Amino acid sequence: EAQVTQNPRYLITVTGKKLTVTCSQNMNHEYMSWYRQDPGLGLRQIYYSMNVEVTDKGDVPEGYKVSRKEKRNFPLILESPSPNQTSLYFCASSLQPGTLYEQYFGPGTRLTVT
Amino acid sequence: AQSVTQPDIHITVSEGASLELRCNYSYGATPYLFWYVQSPGQGLQLLLKYFSGDTLVQGIKGFEAEFKRSQSSFNLRKPSVHWSDAAEYFCAVGDAGNNRKLIWGLGTSLAVNP
Repeated sequence: EAQVTQNPRYLITVTGKKLTVTCSQNMNHEYMSWYRQDPGLGLRQIYYSMNVEVTDKGDVPEGYKVSRKEKRNFPLILESPSPNQTSLYFCASSLQPGTLYEQYFGPGTRLTVT
Repeated sequence: AQSVTQPDIHITVSEGASLELRCNYSYGATPYLFWYVQSPGQGLQLLLKYFSGDTLVQGIKGFEAEFKRSQSSFNLRKPSVHWSDAAEYFCAVGDAGNNRKLIWGLGTSLAVNP
């Protein structure tokens, strides 16, 4: 089944404790992206990747890191999480870079930082 | 700068009633327009998209949307709503000048009364 998977789905952590949220797609998509969703703020893009080893900042990259060492995986790293990073996170992918293409979303990761 | 406005934060309709969700955009050229749906606890799924041609586009789940250039609108419609349509709906605009990301509206939450 074609899908985007994220792990974990739920995570509660403490301030400053490094964490990684994994994202994997099995559709051979070139483009991958991370969003955070907050009430009243909608979806905001954190980072995106046009292809392997090509990543770029989105609208709210502060406090996050990403890597794209292989096509299928695009982990999101919070090296020192803070409470303002409490949010619902989505990974998405599309066949090609560019806004013409449908984005496929993972189920989301709900992160709470205390 | 490009922007997307969804004027209605929350809408409640009765099952079987018709539905129209509004979306207005600000963009200089012909935009690429999308509607995504987020069902409770799930990621976003593409409902339909408009790039060019016929201004009335059909999507999945019985939805349609009409592009009106004169009104800078791309409203989503469904003639008869089902309880399973309760979800968050997002309108998005593709930025042809920056072909790397979508501009998202803040979403409209739809509740369906039995």
